Amino acid sequence: GAGVSQTPSNKVTEKGKYVELRCDPISGHTALYWYRQSLGQGPEFLIYFQGTGAADDSGLPNDRFFAVRPEGSVSTLKIQRTERGDSAVYLCASSSQGANYGYTFGSGTRLTVV
Amino acid sequence: GQSLEQPSEVTAVEGAIVQINCTYQTSGFYGLSWYQQHDGGAPTFLSYNALDGLEETGRFSSFLSRSDSYGYLLLQELQMKDSASYFCAVSPGNTGKLIFGQGTTLQVKP
Repeated sequence: GAGVSQTPSNKVTEKGKYVELRCDPISGHTALYWYRQSLGQGPEFLIYFQGTGAADDSGLPNDRFFAVRPEGSVSTLKIQRTERGDSAVYLCASSSQGANYGYTFGSGTRLTVV
Repeated sequence: GQSLEQPSEVTAVEGAIVQINCTYQTSGFYGLSWYQQHDGGAPTFLSYNALDGLEETGRFSSFLSRSDSYGYLLLQELQMKDSASYFCAVSPGNTGKLIFGQGTTLQVKP
């Protein structure tokens, strides 16, 4: 596609529920990143994929968070047993040549845990 | 630890020049990026500096001093549409992972 697509754009869920957030990167971009942004803060790194494999998952806050990219294109971020503190905008970005040429970010999924 | 510091808010008038500073402390450093984000929008890439010096792209310029762990974004001929948040971000390694600052909210007044 022309840009990075994230669905849903908004998700409201109850505490304790499971959610999946989807990211469809720019076609041909091998690098895919997930970030989380709270109000008034900068994006916080979660995980980086190069192709199908998670090259760096050091930003995942705990084992309730998991992400996959089975075919090297679409990625899904999965959050189990959601907590109110998980409420944030989850941003996905893709890149063909690394940070020096810039990421293209999606518009994000606003997750609200009530 | 890793930290980036930038001013939280800057105000300027249309047509003026504004400089947004960023200082960083990171365990590794490959480069400094700048991103713009309008309210409710996605961050968009502005510039990347790996080497010392000034990079110019139209009305925007970005500067890096690796020895001082310091950089800035310079915006010239300010327009109302430049009102947004601006983030500096460090690449601590060569994977493309970025560590972002807290952002500077720029308000451009008529």
